[in-house]
Amino acid sequence: SQQGEEDPQALSIQEGENATMNCSYKTSINNLQWYRQNSGRGLVHLILIRSNEREKHSGRLRVTLDTSKKSSSLLITASRAADTASYFCATAYTNAGKSTFGDGTTLTVKP
Amino acid sequence: GAVVSQHPSRVICKSGTSVKIECRSLDFQATTMFWYRQFPKQSLMLMATSNEGSKATYEQGVEKDKFLINHASLTLSTLTVTSAHPEDSSFYICSARVPGKDEKLFFGSGTQLSVL
Repeated sequence: SQQGEEDPQALSIQEGENATMNCSYKTSINNLQWYRQNSGRGLVHLILIRSNEREKHSGRLRVTLDTSKKSSSLLITASRAADTASYFCATAYTNAGKSTFGDGTTLTVKP
Repeated sequence: GAVVSQHPSRVICKSGTSVKIECRSLDFQATTMFWYRQFPKQSLMLMATSNEGSKATYEQGVEKDKFLINHASLTLSTLTVTSAHPEDSSFYICSARVPGKDEKLFFGSGTQLSVL
């Protein structure tokens, strides 16, 4: 199956709750990135974590990377209705090479 | 931040016609751009890597004669869907890397193609 599989496929939570999405991949990577896509729009880069990093933070986002398990997680804390979107992980084998996208998690935050 | 502009945002055409989609980097030079196809509620499927001044590199299973890519300048890549058919209806997105800005990708806003 495709590099970069995410779970859950869909997640529905109440505003204020935390949302956690997971991404698994199959081969060694140079970096892993998370992107957000609003319906019918392009993707927006959220955060990048390199293979030698274990955790990164950006505002309400927290990303972890476990290279031994070939998995990553994206945590959105104190979610807001505006966080409703699809979230994709993307893995890259080299710095300037192509990225492979996961299947995505559709997050719905209810106000 | 870097801006990638993609036009048109939506196009409806008759079967058999060709459609050109443009992807422009507005405030940086993009030696490499990527073209993707996305079906509803699915992930992005990389179609090809567009390299300025050279031939595009197509992914396995993507017909290069069907999806013509031209990257004639450092700020413009075009994807032409030739002799479009209903099965070509999809959301097409381009992206580019900004030199020196790590490995992150900057995306266009996408083009929804509907072939009647």
